[in-house]
Amino acid sequence: EDQVTQSPEALRLQEGESSSLNCSYTVSGLRGLFWYRQDPGKGPEFLFTLYSAGEEKEKERLKATLTKKESFLHITAPKPEDSATYLCAVHGSGNTGKLIFGQGTTLQVKP
Amino acid sequence: GAGVSQSPRYKVAKRGQDVALRCDPISGHVSLFWYQQALGQGPEFLTYFQNEAQLDKSGLPSDRFFAERPEGSVSTLKIQRTQQEDSAVYLCASSLNLALEKLFFGSGTQLSVL
Repeated sequence: EDQVTQSPEALRLQEGESSSLNCSYTVSGLRGLFWYRQDPGKGPEFLFTLYSAGEEKEKERLKATLTKKESFLHITAPKPEDSATYLCAVHGSGNTGKLIFGQGTTLQVKP
Repeated sequence: GAGVSQSPRYKVAKRGQDVALRCDPISGHVSLFWYQQALGQGPEFLTYFQNEAQLDKSGLPSDRFFAERPEGSVSTLKIQRTQQEDSAVYLCASSLNLALEKLFFGSGTQLSVL
């Protein structure tokens, strides 16, 4: 059964303090791994799609990487506006339109 | 509007009532998805449409849950005889094509069953 586990559940950083969020997954035939950002009271907002091990994508202070078993979301010199819940999801070959989401990591960046 | 629109934003129902949740996807988006999100958890898949065809409804928790998209645009998620365990945020998402590369989510409907 496809599964996604994110760690830590919550992370507090000082502004400028870089860190990484982890997404461990098991899936039969990875068709894509996705990162979303969710602000309170809002729906998830797309950040990245990764398709194969070794792939990396960057956007502003965020960088996502992928191995065969996990993905990392690296946050460099975060700002308070980066505070949000970050969700990881996988699409497996056994599922047509279904993404399996992790429980998320809630990030708080203090000024 | 340019985004996915969901209504109502909040719904309070008495146990046993029927509710209907509406989703207006981005114009021209072929695929439409419903997810359920409990407090502090990630979204869980409910069902998926490609145009008007419901291709996967494996995530619907029981036969009290029903979704439709009759003209391939607006979708409605109906929950009959609501129970307290149905309390959650119901998220709708759409995507331009059949791929899941990038889903656009609405802000959700928060359902509270008393």
